[in-house]
Amino acid sequence: NAGVMQNPRHLVRRRGQEARLRCSPMKGHSHVYWYRQLPEEGLKFMVYLQKENIIDESGMPKERFSAEFPKEGPSILRIQQVVRGDSAAYFCASSPLAGAKNIQYFGAGTRLSVL
Amino acid sequence: GENVEQHPSTLSVQEGDSAVIKCTYSDSASNYFPWYKQELGKGPQLIIDIRSNVGEKKDQRIAVTLNKTAKHFSLHITETQPEDSAVYFCAPHASGGSYIPTFGRGTSLIVHP
Repeated sequence: NAGVMQNPRHLVRRRGQEARLRCSPMKGHSHVYWYRQLPEEGLKFMVYLQKENIIDESGMPKERFSAEFPKEGPSILRIQQVVRGDSAAYFCASSPLAGAKNIQYFGAGTRLSVL
Repeated sequence: GENVEQHPSTLSVQEGDSAVIKCTYSDSASNYFPWYKQELGKGPQLIIDIRSNVGEKKDQRIAVTLNKTAKHFSLHITETQPEDSAVYFCAPHASGGSYIPTFGRGTSLIVHP
C-alpha cells in the first residue's frame, strides 16, 4: 500500500508564475489536508477536503490560493501569481475518516522556491 | 483556537541518555494527543499518540504521558540513539468541527554518539 504521494518534490517558480502541487492520498483515504511549513516552524493548517468538497479552508489565504480534490485524480493546491513569501514546504496528509480519533498520514512534501 | 507550546525548542543529549519534550495546550476540549517525528527532508510521521481517557502509553523506548488537568502532555525517549535525532512536533486535536490539529513549533533533538 503506497503512502501519500506528493509531486513534485521541489518546485522553482519566478514571481508572478503559477504553482501547482499534487497530492495522491493513500489508497482508501477520502480525506486530504494541506499544510504549509516555514523554516524552523511547525505546520500551519491550510485546507481540509473530501472528494469534491472543501470542508474547512480557514487556513487558506483569501487570494491567489485554491485547492481541489476531484472525484478522480489527485488533490491539487494551486498558487497563482506566486510571491517570494510563498516559498515554503507544503505538506499533504490523508486519513480514512474524519474526526479527532483518526491518524493523518503525511507525504514527503513539496518544497516551493520563488525566485 | 488552540494555543500550543512546546519546550524545549532544542534538546541536545548524549547517546543513551533520556529525552523529555513537553507540550502544553489551551483547549480543554482536546481529546487526542499525538507526537510526530520529522526527519530532514521528510514529512512528519506519527510515532505515538494518546487519547484523553488514558494517562500513559508506552511503545518500546518511547512513551507519552498526559495530564489533562494541567493541559500538558510529554514525550519521553529512553536510551536515545543517533537515529532519534529529528524534529518532534506535538499536535493536539480539539473535538468538534473539522478536527484540525494545531502543531507546536517543534523541538529539535540532537543525539550525540
